[in-house]
Amino acid sequence: AQSVTQPDIHITVSEGASLELRCNYSYGATPYLFWYVQSPGQGLQLLLKYFSGDTLVQGIKGFEAEFKRSQSSFNLRKPSVHWSDAAEYFCAVGGKNTGFQKLVFGTGTRLLVSP
Amino acid sequence: NAGVTQTPKFQVLKTGQSMTLQCAQDMNHEYMSWYRQDPGMGLRLIHYSVGAGITDQGEVPNGYNVSRSTTEDFPLRLLSAAPSQTSVYFCASKNGGAGVNTEAFFGQGTRLTVV
Repeated sequence: AQSVTQPDIHITVSEGASLELRCNYSYGATPYLFWYVQSPGQGLQLLLKYFSGDTLVQGIKGFEAEFKRSQSSFNLRKPSVHWSDAAEYFCAVGGKNTGFQKLVFGTGTRLLVSP
Repeated sequence: NAGVTQTPKFQVLKTGQSMTLQCAQDMNHEYMSWYRQDPGMGLRLIHYSVGAGITDQGEVPNGYNVSRSTTEDFPLRLLSAAPSQTSVYFCASKNGGAGVNTEAFFGQGTRLTVV
């Protein structure tokens, strides 16, 4: 079965510090991987996606993620966090095994940014 | 472009009442889906559609009905609301095509409370 694990429910980072959010997946075929961000009271916005090719992908708002097939991971990183980055972050996987149109989401990581 | 539009944004229902959550997209996307978001559980797929006239069940379909009479609209019906259906509901759409994986676009969500 396909699944996504985000082991950190909450993370607190000081403004200006670096950030890494963890995502591990279980998927029987080539995974297509996504990171979404949800600001309070808002819908989900795509930060970045990995389909194929370069395993380090760049996204919006200065975020990047690295696909590591050997570790089944797709961790999200940002070198310097801004207060406006406080939000909930979701990792998701899709692909052939789930019919392409369906996404399996992790449980989310809530990022708190301290002054 | 309006993207994916959900109405209403908030709704309170009494147990046993019925209602329809509306979802419309103006991007001519083939795929549409409904997710529910519950604390600590991420987003779970309720129903999805790969095109007008075609719908299928997701991970948590019980208590919900859908239909897809047009490409643009994908309403979600609660026939007899239960407190367990208190949740935030998200509609999503994405472009389709066999073997093509693209990002999903999400609406702003409907916060439903069943008392």
